[in-house]
Amino acid sequence: GAGVSQSPSNKVTEKGKDVELRCDPISGHTALYWYRQSLGQGLEFLIYFQGNSAPDKSGLPSDRFSAERTGGSVSTLTIQRTQQEDSAVYLCASSFSAADSYEQYFGPGTRLTVT
Amino acid sequence: EDQVTQSPEALRLQEGESSSLNCSYTVSGLRGLFWYRQDPGKGPEFLFTLYSAGEEKEKERLKATLTKKESFLHITAPKPEDSATYLCAVPRGFGNEKLTFGTGTRLTIIP
Repeated sequence: GAGVSQSPSNKVTEKGKDVELRCDPISGHTALYWYRQSLGQGLEFLIYFQGNSAPDKSGLPSDRFSAERTGGSVSTLTIQRTQQEDSAVYLCASSFSAADSYEQYFGPGTRLTVT
Repeated sequence: EDQVTQSPEALRLQEGESSSLNCSYTVSGLRGLFWYRQDPGKGPEFLFTLYSAGEEKEKERLKATLTKKESFLHITAPKPEDSATYLCAVPRGFGNEKLTFGTGTRLTIIP
C-alpha cells in the first residue's frame, strides 16, 4: 500500500516568509509525528498527534512553529516568519497507535531552505 | 536528560568485511532501543526494536544486540546495497511517541 507522503519535496523561501509543509499518513494510522533533521544533527522531535487528543507540542522550537491535523488524517506544519536556522529536512511519520509508536513509518521529507 | 551517542560517525568497509556499529545511551528506565536505516534523500526505515539486555534480533546480514548501556549493530559479509546511514533511537517521556535519535553512522561498502 501507499506509504507516508509529504509535499513539497523541496521548498526554497526567503527569510521572513511563512511556509506550509504537508503530510499524508498511511491510511488507518492514528498517530502522526513531525521531526526535523538538520545537517550533522540527529532527528529532532517536534510534535505528535494521537487520534483526536490534543497534540503534544513539547518539541516545537518556538511559537513560530505550529501544526494541525484535520479529520485525523492529513497534517500541516506551518512555520511563520522563517529564519535561516529553520533550514532542515522536515520528516513526517505515522504509526497505528502510540503504543506501537516505535514502528514509525517515515515519509521522504521536505527539504526546506531559507535564503 | 536522555542521550544517544553513535560511533563511529563514518565507516568504510570492503564488500564482505564484517564489522559493528555502536550506540551508547543514557536513559532512566529504558523502554526500548530502536534501529533505523536511512538512505540519502529518504526517510528512516525501521529495522529492529530491542527491549531488554541480552536480547538479539536478526535481519539478513544485520544483527542487533543490547546491553544495559549500549547496543551494537553487527553487519556480516556486507554488500554494497547495505551502504546507508544507520540510526538508533530511544523513547523518552511516558510512551514511545517521542524518540531521541543519535546522529547516525554513515556506512559505505566498497565493491
